Amino acid sequence: DAGVIQSPRHEVTEMGQEVTLRCKPISGHNSLFWYRQTMMRGLELLIYFNNNVPIDDSGMPEDRFSAKMPNASFSTLKIQPSEPRDSAVYFCASSFLAAGEQYFGPGTRLTVT
Amino acid sequence: TQLLEQSPQFLSIQEGENLTVYCNSSSVFSSLQWYRQEPGEGPVLLVTVVTGGEVKKLKRLTFQFGDARKDSSLHITAAQTGDTGLYLCAGGDNAGNNRKLIWGLGTSLAVNP
Repeated sequence: DAGVIQSPRHEVTEMGQEVTLRCKPISGHNSLFWYRQTMMRGLELLIYFNNNVPIDDSGMPEDRFSAKMPNASFSTLKIQPSEPRDSAVYFCASSFLAAGEQYFGPGTRLTVT
Repeated sequence: TQLLEQSPQFLSIQEGENLTVYCNSSSVFSSLQWYRQEPGEGPVLLVTVVTGGEVKKLKRLTFQFGDARKDSSLHITAAQTGDTGLYLCAGGDNAGNNRKLIWGLGTSLAVNP
């Protein structure tokens, strides 16, 4: 298996622009997680899905952030409009059980200028 | 609210030294996972412990889960430069409807040659 796939690996955008991050989980995993990692706050869970259904989005910072999982093999995290404070590394992870072992993608490094 | 505290936050040692890092909580977890994250990559699972008092060894790494399943430690013997990275612990909670991992902020380890 190719593991969790994320794209793009790097994204540089200007404040106010829309950003879309993409994730393909490991085949057969039924839980998908979006995390944000910064030096100051560490690894923060933004949202997670179970069987394509959002279960907990309490970590989503505000209405500018939205996430979708239209099918078992694809998810997106969208930021609109983006702000400089959104600059971070965003990780997608998948697992067979929500509280089980998670497999992380390589991350997307987002820079908003 | 469940929290996991990791200590120390930063650790810099010389190659060949031994070290222990800790992961503590006031809450009980059904399982405890340790991950290592290298620069520019996502966290990678090292081990999962599920039984109170359990000890697992992975080459020079020894993981222990506390008897009460509230804390864990990671001991590295004769550290090598390849052990450098961010060590994250994550607790699994299989109770309730919102089943997800609770993450610590990590211990950043630097092993100097």
